[in-house]
Amino acid sequence: SQTIHQWPATLVQPVGSPLSLECTVEGTSNPNLYWYRQAAGRGLQLLFYSIGIDQISSEVPQNLSASRPQDRQFILSSKKLLLSDSGFYLCAWSVSPQMNTEAFFGQGTRLTVV
Amino acid sequence: GEDVEQSLFLSVREGDSSVINCTYTDSSSTYLYWYKQEPGAGLQLLTYIFSNMDMKQDQRLTVLLNKKDKHLSLRIADTQTGDSAIYFCAERTSGTYKYIFGTGTRLKVLA
Repeated sequence: SQTIHQWPATLVQPVGSPLSLECTVEGTSNPNLYWYRQAAGRGLQLLFYSIGIDQISSEVPQNLSASRPQDRQFILSSKKLLLSDSGFYLCAWSVSPQMNTEAFFGQGTRLTVV
Repeated sequence: GEDVEQSLFLSVREGDSSVINCTYTDSSSTYLYWYKQEPGAGLQLLTYIFSNMDMKQDQRLTVLLNKKDKHLSLRIADTQTGDSAIYFCAERTSGTYKYIFGTGTRLKVLA
């Protein structure tokens, strides 16, 4: 069966420090991968999605970046965190867009920038 | 562009029905999803409906779709305290990769 792993579960980082959040999917090949951010009162905002290795689309211009070094690995990074980067970050995966497929979510990372 | 809107809060008494509403903008062939988020956790799919359907029922859950008004609702019958959570509506145009989520509705069930 397919599983998705996200880590760390919680993270407290000072302003200006770098960030690396990792997400891996098991049990499926060539998944579509997503990074979402959930901030209070702002719902779930799509940050990046990827349909293959080195194929990444950015939805929101900001100081975050994403990389997909392997088929089932998706990394969210920042060189210098801002206070406004605080939030709950969720990784998700899906399969073929031609099918009625849901997005499957990880358990999230709570990031607090201090 | 795509946009999904929901009211932020809903409070109901245990045993009553809850109705959570959502409006969307995409007019293409669209999949519409309802997800539930427990505190501090990821999202779990509750149910979905395709835009050529009007209604879908699954145990205590009923989804109604008004295509003309682009309005989607989720009805939870006999609401229980365990139903307290944030409920997200999401849309995805068939053949595309992006899932667009609403702001989420926080449902509070009062005992």
